Amino acid sequence: DAGVIQSPRHEVTEMGQEVTLRCKPISGHDYLFWYRQTMMRGLELLIYFNNNVPIDDSGMPEDRFSAKMPNASFSTLKIQPSEPRDSAVYFCASSALRGAEAFFGQGTRLTVV
Amino acid sequence: AQSVTQPDIHITVSEGASLELRCNYSYGATPYLFWYVQSPGQGLQLLLKYFSGDTLVQGIKGFEAEFKRSQSSFNLRKPSVHWSDAAEYFCAVGPPSFGNEKLTFGTGTRLTIIP
Repeated sequence: DAGVIQSPRHEVTEMGQEVTLRCKPISGHDYLFWYRQTMMRGLELLIYFNNNVPIDDSGMPEDRFSAKMPNASFSTLKIQPSEPRDSAVYFCASSALRGAEAFFGQGTRLTVV
Repeated sequence: AQSVTQPDIHITVSEGASLELRCNYSYGATPYLFWYVQSPGQGLQLLLKYFSGDTLVQGIKGFEAEFKRSQSSFNLRKPSVHWSDAAEYFCAVGPPSFGNEKLTFGTGTRLTIIP
């Protein structure tokens, strides 16, 4: 398996624009997580899915953030409208079992100017 | 609520020296425990994990960690570090029960290796 695949690797956008981050989890993994990493706040869990269903979105910072998982092999994290404080590295991770280790993608570095 | 503390923000060691990175957790029961490593510009990679059984666990790249229930600790060790070990290290806890599948990560320890 190629691992968790995220796209794009880098994204630069202007404030107010819509941003969509994409993730393909490892095949067969039932859990998918979206994390945000910043220098100030470290690694934060935004939302996670089990079998394509959002289970806990309490980490989503604002209504500007939304995430979907239309099928077992694809998820998106959307920010609309984007703001400079959204600049961070966004990681997607997947795991096969409840509580098991998570496998991380290489992340998307988002810069909002 | 579960929490993870990594008291050392930054550690510098000489190449070939031994290493210990500290991790303490707060949880109502014995959680699943993990150590991840993040190299610059990369995602997190699992080094090792503890679910149950032997409290000394071996991981990749020559790392090991020891679970000490009495101290609520899961410290990471390596007897002799290599320059390639320079990275950021994260301790994480996971739930042993249903209903809360989230991993909680510590704030990380940045490891610098000097010649």
